[in-house]
Amino acid sequence: DGGITQSPKYLFRKEGQNVTLSCEQNLNHDAMYWYRQDPGQGLRLIYYSQIVNDFQKGDIAEGYSVSREKKESFPLTVTSAQKNPTAFYLCASSIGQISNQPQHFGDGTRLSIL
Amino acid sequence: GDSVTQMEGPVTLSEEAFLTINCTYTATGYPSLFWYVQYPGEGLQLLLKATKADDKGSNKGFEATYRKETTSFHLEKGSVQVSDSAVYFCALSDGTSGTYKYIFGTGTRLKVLA
Repeated sequence: DGGITQSPKYLFRKEGQNVTLSCEQNLNHDAMYWYRQDPGQGLRLIYYSQIVNDFQKGDIAEGYSVSREKKESFPLTVTSAQKNPTAFYLCASSIGQISNQPQHFGDGTRLSIL
Repeated sequence: GDSVTQMEGPVTLSEEAFLTINCTYTATGYPSLFWYVQYPGEGLQLLLKATKADDKGSNKGFEATYRKETTSFHLEKGSVQVSDSAVYFCALSDGTSGTYKYIFGTGTRLKVLA
């Protein structure tokens, strides 16, 4: 079955530490996205990528970085510059150039501060 | 810019009651509209979609009709079950500007009591 795999499901970060969240898809989708979800809140876009080796900042990119070296992979690094990283992180993908197609989501990674 | 507005939650209903969750949107072009459902600790799952005016999306007893004249896409279900308890997100995608973006509402929590 095709889908999006996020790992790990739970992640803990120490002060001053960078952590990387994994997102892999086997849907052959061109576009991939990272969202942050805080308790009781909607989704806020961190970064997105429409094609390999290219990505753009979303609404809350500060303190985060991404790479898109392969079509199927879009890892997110939460850097020590992100002062409030505790949240639920969702990765999504879509076909890319067709706006009437929905996004597909992974099951999320919950990041907490130790 | 584009936006999605959903009714505030939580919505609490008894089993077999009728459900309506209101969603209105603003968009510069001709967006596609989606409803997603999120169960606790999971990612978002596509519930239904509509890609043009007067389209009706339906799935698992849920329905929503794309109303261009009222810029609305209200979610309805005739008889809710306890298993429908979740958070529901209304979303749009609009490629008019040349960049395909997905805009989400803040979500509406539904609680169904047995």
